[in-house]
Order: sequence, then structure tokens, then C-alpha cells
Amino acid sequence: EAQVTQNPRYLITVTGKKLTVTCSQNMNHEYMSWYRQDPGLGLRQIYYSMNVEVTDKGDVPEGYKVSRKEKRNFPLILESPSPNQTSLYFCASQGQIHYNEQFFGPGTRLTVL
Amino acid sequence: QQPVQSPQAVILREGEDAVINCSSSKALYSVHWYRQKHGEAPVFLMILLKGGEQKGHDKISASFNEKKQQSSLYLTASQLSYSGTYFCGTGRPSNTGKLIFGQGTTLQVKP
Repeated sequence: EAQVTQNPRYLITVTGKKLTVTCSQNMNHEYMSWYRQDPGLGLRQIYYSMNVEVTDKGDVPEGYKVSRKEKRNFPLILESPSPNQTSLYFCASQGQIHYNEQFFGPGTRLTVL
Repeated sequence: QQPVQSPQAVILREGEDAVINCSSSKALYSVHWYRQKHGEAPVFLMILLKGGEQKGHDKISASFNEKKQQSSLYLTASQLSYSGTYFCGTGRPSNTGKLIFGQGTTLQVKP
């Protein structure tokens, strides 16, 4: 089954404690993204990757890091989480840019105390 | 810059029609539409490309006015299952394919 998986689905942590949210896709997609969703603000792109070792900033990259060492995986790293990073996070993958839909993971709800 | 969606929210009775609009201040190459149910991930509805090509579900229709940098999603004979938040994502004419999503339109269909 074609899918995007994220782990963990729920996470409560404290300010400053480094964390990683994993994302994996099994569709051999080149393009992957991370979004955060906050009430009234829609989906805002954090980082995206067009292929292995190729990443770029989205609209709200501050406080986040990503890496793309393998095509299927695109982890999101919060090196020193702060309360303003409390949000719902989605990973997405896409085949050919523009022409194909984005497949979203199930989401990770993060709370930073 | 985020595209602007209107209306922000709409309430319908089953069987009624609705139009959701998406407007950008930048030249567009593609517009994507997604629907999100509460607590779930967004699900693909339709892609519209510059030049007129479209991909999507048979029961969903949409338009893309390239000159006005606007797209509209048409929901006809609405069903209870249409309830959710609708997002447009706009793609610029560049190689990145980066999508910028609007703030969403919440649709509630009542019996």
C-alpha cells in the first residue's frame, strides 16, 4: 500500500530537549516536504527536498533542521524545541512536481512545555 | 505569500451548492485542492495546471483563471461527507514545485 508514515504520532516534551520526527514514504517519490498546521494559518511549509541531499527552506524554517540521506526518509529535527513550536506537523511526498498530488502522512501532534 | 481563500467558512444543507475561491498575488503554474477532515491528513482532490490540464476526482470540478491568478472549487449537490476544511495550494512557474497553501475554508454540511 502506498503510504507516508510518521513517528511518533503524539509527543509531549519540554523546552530545549532535542527531538526528531521521522518520515518515510514507499512510493519512490523524489519530492518531500514538512508542514506545520496551526489554527487559522493553514499549512505552512517548513522545509522541502527535491531529492537526496537536496533540501531548501520553506516559509517557516526557523528552529528546524532536516536531512535527506535516503530517498525514502526525510526526518525533521528540533534541536532546541520551544513552546511556539507546539503544533500539528505533516510530512508529505510527491512524484513529479506540479503534476502530481502530494501524499500526506497521518500527522504528529507535538506539545512543547 | 499565502494565497487568500474565500469564504473562510460556509454552512450548507445537503443538496446545496458551494463555491470556494483561491486568489494569489503571484503568477501561478499550478493549483492543488485538498480536503481535510478533523484530526486527519489532507486528501487530494484536484490539480489544475496552466494551459488547462486537470487531474482529479470525477465528482469534483474546479476552474483556474491564469490571468487573474485565481481558482475556484465547485461543490454541487453537497453531501454530509463533503464536510471538512478545504485548502488550495499554489505552485509558481519555477523548477521547485513548492506549494504554498491558503489558510483554509471550513465547510459544514447539515442534514
